[in-house]
Amino acid sequence: KAGVTQTPRYLIKTRGQQVTLSCSPISGHRSVSWYQQTPGQGLQFLFEYFSETQRNKGNFPGRFSGRQFSNSRSEMNVSTLELGDSALYLCASSPSAGRGGTDTQYFGPGTRLTVL
Amino acid sequence: KQEVTQIPAALSVPEGENLVLNCSFTDSAIYNLQWFRQDPGKGLTSLLLIQSSQREQTSGRLNASLDKSSGRSTLYIAASQPGDSATYLCAASTSGTYKYIFGTGTRLKVLA
Repeated sequence: KAGVTQTPRYLIKTRGQQVTLSCSPISGHRSVSWYQQTPGQGLQFLFEYFSETQRNKGNFPGRFSGRQFSNSRSEMNVSTLELGDSALYLCASSPSAGRGGTDTQYFGPGTRLTVL
Repeated sequence: KQEVTQIPAALSVPEGENLVLNCSFTDSAIYNLQWFRQDPGKGLTSLLLIQSSQREQTSGRLNASLDKSSGRSTLYIAASQPGDSATYLCAASTSGTYKYIFGTGTRLKVLA
């Protein structure tokens, strides 16, 4: 099976712009989670989707949003970019059957976003 | 609110040594706990997952244990090799939250 894929792998944007990142989960996986990784804060949870529904959201401002499509592919969007949004954005998929928690997560390689 | 702590932050050992990485969590109502490995600039690779009902999991030279009552998990690496050099992260998923809370990781260097 193909792993989790994320596009693009690298992005350079300027402050005030917006950006959309894409994640394709492992075939058959219905849960997609997004995380932000920075040297100072480590890995922080952004949100999780299961069958097109957001089940949980982390403590990030409303500029961060996401969605999931019927084929389980997911996108996250960041509007009005700030310098502090520079980070590695990681997507993870899970077979999660929605039984009360998240099963094994399989991570993609990430998208490195640099905001100038 | 779940918090996950990993000690030590960095560890350097000679090749062949057995070692233990520690992970502590504050909320014992976990759904499962997962150990990951991350190489510089790369994504995370899942190593072991322990369900809340389990006490340990083993894969090759790796063994992870879980003690919910004390809020601790350990990752044991036997006969370490230079290729084991990476950052090791533990993450706890609390029941009903559908998210993982990550520790800050232990950066391991195995010297040849």
